[in-house]
Amino acid sequence: EAQVTQNPRYLITVTGKKLTVTCSQNMNHEYMSWYRQDPGLGLRQIYYSMNVEVTDKGDVPEGYKVSRKEKRNFPLILESPSPNQTSLYFCASSPGTANYGYTFGSGTRLTVV
Amino acid sequence: AQSVTQPDIHITVSEGASLELRCNYSYGATPYLFWYVQSPGQGLQLLLKYFSGDTLVQGIKGFEAEFKRSQSSFNLRKPSVHWSDAAEYFCAVGAHLSGGYNKLIFGAGTRLAVHP
Repeated sequence: EAQVTQNPRYLITVTGKKLTVTCSQNMNHEYMSWYRQDPGLGLRQIYYSMNVEVTDKGDVPEGYKVSRKEKRNFPLILESPSPNQTSLYFCASSPGTANYGYTFGSGTRLTVV
Repeated sequence: AQSVTQPDIHITVSEGASLELRCNYSYGATPYLFWYVQSPGQGLQLLLKYFSGDTLVQGIKGFEAEFKRSQSSFNLRKPSVHWSDAAEYFCAVGAHLSGGYNKLIFGAGTRLAVHP
């Protein structure tokens, strides 16, 4: 089944403790992206990747890091999480151009206390 | 700058009633337009998309949307709502960026409640 898999689904952590949210897709998509969803703000892009070793900032990249060492994986790293990073996070992938839209993962709900 | 506006934050309809969710976009070129649905605790599922051609687009689950360039709108419609349609709906525009990348810009969402 074609899908984007994120882990974990739920995570509660403390301020400053480094964490990684994993994302993997099995569709051989070139484009991958991370979004965060907050009430009243919709989805905002954090980082994106056009291919292996090619990443760039989205609209809200502060406090986040990403890497794309393999085509299928695109982990999101929070080096020192803060409470304002409490949010619902989605990983998404696309074959390429915008007309394909994105396939989304099921989301990771992160709480930073 | 590209943007998407969904004027209605919450909408409540009765089961069996018709539905229209509004979406307005701001984009200089011909847009790629999408509607996604997010059921509680789930990711986003693509309902339908518009690139060009026929301005009335059919999607899954009985939804359709009409692209109106003169109004910069892409409203989502369904003739008869089912209780299972209760969810949050997101309109998005695909924007071309430099270097060939294409980015989805989302509206803030409309939460739909369905009364029995």
